[in-house]
Amino acid sequence: GIQVEQSPPDLILQEGANSTLRCNFSDSVNNLQWFHQNPWGQLINLFYIPSGTKQNGRLSATTVATERYSLLYISSSQTTDSGVYFCAVVKAAGNKLTFGGGTRVLVKP
Amino acid sequence: GAVVSQHPSRVICKSGTSVKIECRSLDFQATTMFWYRQFPKQSLMLMATSNEGSKATYEQGVEKDKFLINHASLTLSTLTVTSAHPEDSSFYICSVPEGGDPTDTQYFGPGTRLTVL
Repeated sequence: GIQVEQSPPDLILQEGANSTLRCNFSDSVNNLQWFHQNPWGQLINLFYIPSGTKQNGRLSATTVATERYSLLYISSSQTTDSGVYFCAVVKAAGNKLTFGGGTRVLVKP
Repeated sequence: GAVVSQHPSRVICKSGTSVKIECRSLDFQATTMFWYRQFPKQSLMLMATSNEGSKATYEQGVEKDKFLINHASLTLSTLTVTSAHPEDSSFYICSVPEGGDPTDTQYFGPGTRLTVL
């Protein structure tokens, strides 16, 4: 199956700082999503981004499909950004979402 | 975005009992739904694909006789954990792909936290 690796595994930020989370995948994909899992366990959709660049407020994401990686940028971080960020992909010609190990983010006030 | 509900949100049961978890797609019909399991401090692992009108497809290592899946309608899938044991304690989450296409955006339910005593 496809391998999805996220880095770093843990990230501690001071409020107001910027950060970049990375997702590497081992095969071609036709779906890539970024999620934020809040402290109650709910997965919140951030981006559907199998290729290209998107922005939503303080968050933006870029996927370079030919090089098999995606980046999630968090700017001017806030304490409410704390939680676990997951990248998940569907392999080309596949139908299952495979998750990376996640990046656990803690934003300190 | 699509709304997916799960019921119950939390359940505690005794070892040996069965527990049923419901997943409902509130915004659109779903011929396919997915069930995941997440242990503490770990990622989500796909357990099975629920197919409306046909048998579920289970991932390797997931016992189909223990985790019964029924896709009763185009908006409802149920997961029944039969003869639950403490090692089945976990966070169970369902997802629904938009338009029924797994390559499209997938939306997740709020999850069900199962504790087996």
